[in-house]
Amino acid sequence: ETGVTQTPRHLVMGMTNKKSLKCEQHLGHNAMYWYKQSAKKPLELMFVYNFKEQTENNSVPSRFSPECPNSSHLFLHLHTLQPEDSALYLCASSQDGGVSQPQHFGDGTRLSIL
Amino acid sequence: GENVEQHPSTLSVQEGDSAVIKCTYSDSASNYFPWYKQELGKGPQLIIDIRSNVGEKKDQRIAVTLNKTAKHFSLHITETQPEDSAVYFCAANILTGGGNKLTFGTGTQLKVEL
Repeated sequence: ETGVTQTPRHLVMGMTNKKSLKCEQHLGHNAMYWYKQSAKKPLELMFVYNFKEQTENNSVPSRFSPECPNSSHLFLHLHTLQPEDSALYLCASSQDGGVSQPQHFGDGTRLSIL
Repeated sequence: GENVEQHPSTLSVQEGDSAVIKCTYSDSASNYFPWYKQELGKGPQLIIDIRSNVGEKKDQRIAVTLNKTAKHFSLHITETQPEDSAVYFCAANILTGGGNKLTFGTGTQLKVEL
């Protein structure tokens, strides 16, 4: 149990579907992150939220839309995705967005785009 | 931009032997270096981290060393066991632009053979 829970664990969707990924952390943290993990590539930071405010958008296409309603929950809304978006999407949290705060990851959502 | 290089990409050792994974980073301002272990079907788990004010840190069979001058840091696992088999990622923090951002290596697949 990592304290960071992601649902669903697996998701298969067509390119025209709309779906959402959910992340919930039970660590009392105030910063949350979305990462994309593709085979043979380093983890790619997508978005950062600190105290519910978005502080980083790492040039992510608009077909990915994050939402952070409170410090414990983070969503990633997906629409009109492309096959190259198939990957493991990881959520992480840290105490806050300050420099050098350890980040704790969930187990990810394995996304497959048909 | 800032990057982290990690070697080797695969490492096979006999049970009981030591394993060493090496990383180099490009941003001389980086001051936080975590290591993550990722088992199949799981998210990355923080196993040890080091900050730039120390040169070495140990936790049971795991140790990390840091050479700031050469911008190298390494993970050492002694007395390896089959449960150490996993993918290991190094990371370094990015201070440009503020916030708590990490850049990751491409991972090392460690296999501990009986």
